Amino acid sequence: GAVVSQHPSRVICKSGTSVKIECRSLDFQATTMFWYRQFPKQSLMLMATSNEGSKATYEQGVEKDKFLINHASLTLSTLTVTSAHPEDSSFYICSAGSGGGGLAFFGQGTRLTVV
Amino acid sequence: QKEVEQNSGPLSVPEGAIASLNCTYSDRGSQSFFWYRQYSGKSPELIMFIYSNGDKEDGRFTAQLNKASQYVSLLIRDSQPSDSATYLCAVSYSNSGYALNFGKGTSLLVTP
Repeated sequence: GAVVSQHPSRVICKSGTSVKIECRSLDFQATTMFWYRQFPKQSLMLMATSNEGSKATYEQGVEKDKFLINHASLTLSTLTVTSAHPEDSSFYICSAGSGGGGLAFFGQGTRLTVV
Repeated sequence: QKEVEQNSGPLSVPEGAIASLNCTYSDRGSQSFFWYRQYSGKSPELIMFIYSNGDKEDGRFTAQLNKASQYVSLLIRDSQPSDSATYLCAVSYSNSGYALNFGKGTSLLVTP
């Protein structure tokens, strides 16, 4: 399957600071990427759709000014968690589609801990 | 509200048995259906996908889809302890491209 790489895999930051997470499609171009968040014992929840060259589309209840998404190229989307707080601690996962039919491949995920 | 429902489990089966995982979805407009496996602390890994009614087999895995009943299942034959994980059912809608709506997952435990 297609390869999606996410970095960093784990980050610990202080409350009030910002953290940037990168998502790259390594062997295909992705005009659209997706960002999910997963809290312990919960399922993945779609946060936003990242569109290359245009603004991201956010799901209801997700603060666009807090979770900044930039999709500057066909292989890279970034999620920046601004002014992070302990309640933002979660597992963030990106995905990108390839091959049609809704088939999506996931990055390795980023475990964010805000202290 | 588009819902994807799964029994959280845990589902416990002995090694070598068949594990049966079930999922229902609420939106009849759903187009594509996926099963992902997720180990603790890791990202989901695609196991199977199915688009049409009926069965689809891949090795020890069989996905079954019944759109009339809005039901999709995953059978794992000859279950192994390494199959122990959380299995996530995901649904894609016709106008959402590759965005997926996930169930909460079923925890599977295969005992030696």
